Amino acid sequence: KNQVEQSPQSLIILEGKNCTLQCNYTVSPFSNLRWYKQDTGRGPVSLTIMTFSENTKSNGRYTATLDADTKQSSLHITASQLSDSASYICVVSLFNNNDMRFGAGTRLTVKP
Amino acid sequence: GAGVSQSPRYKVAKRGQDVALRCDPISGHVSLFWYQQALGQGPEFLTYFQNEAQLDKSGLPSDRFFAERPEGSVSTLKIQRTQQEDSAVYLCASSPREGDYGYTFGSGTRLTVV
Repeated sequence: KNQVEQSPQSLIILEGKNCTLQCNYTVSPFSNLRWYKQDTGRGPVSLTIMTFSENTKSNGRYTATLDADTKQSSLHITASQLSDSASYICVVSLFNNNDMRFGAGTRLTVKP
Repeated sequence: GAGVSQSPRYKVAKRGQDVALRCDPISGHVSLFWYQQALGQGPEFLTYFQNEAQLDKSGLPSDRFFAERPEGSVSTLKIQRTQQEDSAVYLCASSPREGDYGYTFGSGTRLTVV
């Protein structure tokens, strides 16, 4: 069973709109949580990284939140652009940092 | 180089054929990882190197999979007697040192076994 669950599986929004992607995890012991953007045919690129003591982290139009008590994270994208169309993957690392567990990703499509 | 380079970008193999996938990590990066990504799924861990030492190979699905990094830089993932279920994208990632957050992924090699 995947220890990192993401929702929705896919999402279509209009350009300029905001959206929020969800990530629930059961990984333990937890070290940090990252959100990656993966364009089609490319490797994942890091957007944000948060340790268990951080609640929020921003990177431009991307804002990630983390609730380590409920083991939930979200990625909020504001004023979406066509170039935001990609898969967004939630990755949770165990304490040794070298053991990363990936979610299946949310496929976001931004339409004009 | 500026990023993690993987070759070939695409590989089509006949079932039963052996393949070798190459990863050139960022120069000086100590840690190197291989992942397998099935269509529509997140990457699954295969194996991890710290310099030339293979510290974790628990994710390799069978003894047909073999990885090496003899000089602590370039790594090769070899799959023997390929099967259709081996079809996936194989991603390589590197980081400057053990436990560092700064992982950089390559673009992957898409392997199709026919």
